[in-house]
Order: sequence, then C-alpha cells, then structure tokens
Amino acid sequence: GNSVTQMEGPVTLSEEAFLTINCTYTATGYPSLFWYVQYPGEGLQLLLKATKADDKGSNKGFEATYRKETTSFHLEKGSVQVSDSAVYFCALIRQAGTALIFGKGTTLSVSS
Amino acid sequence: NAGVTQTPKFRVLKTGQSMTLLCAQDMNHEYMYWYRQDPGMGLRLIHYSVGEGTTAKGEVPDGYNVSRLKKQNFLLGLESAAPSQTSVYFCASGHPRAWGTEAFFGQGTRLTVV
Repeated sequence: GNSVTQMEGPVTLSEEAFLTINCTYTATGYPSLFWYVQYPGEGLQLLLKATKADDKGSNKGFEATYRKETTSFHLEKGSVQVSDSAVYFCALIRQAGTALIFGKGTTLSVSS
Repeated sequence: NAGVTQTPKFRVLKTGQSMTLLCAQDMNHEYMYWYRQDPGMGLRLIHYSVGEGTTAKGEVPDGYNVSRLKKQNFLLGLESAAPSQTSVYFCASGHPRAWGTEAFFGQGTRLTVV
C-alpha cells in the first residue's frame, strides 16, 4: 500500500543552523508529494509541493526535491529561525487520488 | 473568505454521550475530509467525501458517522463517545486535479472524552 515514513523527532537546532528532515515514500505510479507545517495550536498549512519527478518545491526558504529513484522528498532549509519551530508533515497523494496520506510528523524546535 | 471553519473548537464529553462536529468550507471544493491527530500517530483519515451526498470510509472509521447533505458542509458524528476518541479532529477540503489534490485544513477541534 501507499505510505510515508519520516525521520523521528524531535529535531532541536540553534538559530541559523541547516535543517534536513528526511521523508521517504512507498507508492505505486507517480504520486504527488507535499510538506505541510503545523504551528502550535493551529491547523496544517501547505508549505510546498511537487507533482512530478525531479520537481523542486520551495517556499519561505524551505526546499524539497522529488527523487523518484530514491523515493524521497527530503525537506531542507539553509538557515532556520526560531519562528520555524513547528511540526512538519510529509504527505503523498496518488495520481488522481482523493485523499492525502501523511507521515507521523517531525517536531522541530529552534532556539536562539 | 474564511476557508475551512470547524465548530466547536473545544469540547469535553462524558463516555456514552453523542455529539456532532461541523465543518464548513467556502471554496466550492468537491472533496472534504475528516482526520484525527494523535501523538506519535500523525494524521489518520476517518471518512471523506468526493461530492455532495457521497461519503466513504477512511483508515479509522469505526465509531464515527458522517454526512454531506450540502456541498459546503461535512458533519462528523460520534454516537456513543469513548475515551479512545479523545483526539484533535481536523477537517479539510480540496479540489480534484489531474495530479491529485492539495488539502486546506481547518483549525481543529480538541475533543476530550472522560
């Protein structure tokens, strides 16, 4: 079946450090891939997406590249800020599918 | 433009009580979803709907019922609440596209069953 595996957290970093959160997936065909972010006490917001292999999604300094050969979609940011502290979810949806499948989430805590 | 609105935001129920969570979206989306979020489990799909008058089971449907009588509303019902249903519930909506859909989420409902 389709599934998403994320690195377990929490991830604790100092401000301006480099961030990587690993995400790998299992799916048939060519799914679309997403990163969602959940700030404390809020709902999920779409951070970035990629709908085909080799696409790079980017937003707010975050990037992720759809790597079909390694079935991965790792999230990166060159210099994190305290305001990036949140829970990050990797997700996929099958081509023409109806519902997102989420990973378990990775908590990021950034200190100044 | 409110997006996806969930009511209530917080609720405490006693075991055996019933309640309905309401989700409303103003984006004219075809798809609507109910997820639950539990520590260490991520988001799990309870039920979803691909259009007015249709519903389907997700990954964890037991103990819940849903209805989509109007395109903009998606109701989640708990007929007899159990402590295992203590969770944060998120509603989402989306528009079908060739590559799938991206979901827009509400702010969540924190439900405690005692």
